[in-house]
Amino acid sequence: AQTVTQSQPEMSVQEAETVTLSCTYDTSESDYYLFWYKQPPSRQMILVIRQEAYKQQNATENRFSVNFQKAAKSFSLKISDSQLGDAAMYFCAYNTGTASKLTFGTGTRLQVTL
Amino acid sequence: EAQVTQNPRYLITVTGKKLTVTCSQNMNHEYMSWYRQDPGLGLRQIYYSMNVEVTDKGDVPEGYKVSRKEKRNFPLILESPSPNQTSLYFCASSLVGTWAGGRETQYFGPGTRLLVL
Repeated sequence: AQTVTQSQPEMSVQEAETVTLSCTYDTSESDYYLFWYKQPPSRQMILVIRQEAYKQQNATENRFSVNFQKAAKSFSLKISDSQLGDAAMYFCAYNTGTASKLTFGTGTRLQVTL
Repeated sequence: EAQVTQNPRYLITVTGKKLTVTCSQNMNHEYMSWYRQDPGLGLRQIYYSMNVEVTDKGDVPEGYKVSRKEKRNFPLILESPSPNQTSLYFCASSLVGTWAGGRETQYFGPGTRLLVL
């Protein structure tokens, strides 16, 4: 069974600084997709960024980027120039190419301080 | 506006009283799914549907039922709710759910917070 591990239950970052959230996954599949979702206090699940396993280039979306290490099965999220609005729970998720079930990690709560 | 809607957003009920949480999407998505979120466990899939009249169990289906009679709607039914079903529930949808479905981004509804006394 596929598993997703987020080893940091909580992280803190100062405004304007950079923070990296860790995620590792376990799979025997060769075709899969990785996602980071943000859950602010409103509880809405918001897609932050996605990465296709067959792409070597790391995905980037404005201040958000990933460090995808396929051999190590690692998928970390880097947030640059952190803003107060980045404070949220962040979930790493995995999906195989042929299935439609997202497997989630347990989440990392990010606090942004002044 | 493209969206997934859920109703109700908040619900307090008592053990054994049947309830339905509705989910609707206006994006003509084939795939729909229900997840529950519990502290320390992340989100876990309850049921999913690849298309109309096609549903299957996820990881935690016990105590739940679903139906998919129309493409846009995917209600979650708790026939006899119990306190261990107190949770935050999310409905999600994506464009396709077939062999290439994994590549599709899933869009989530706003969540339904359920308390079973």
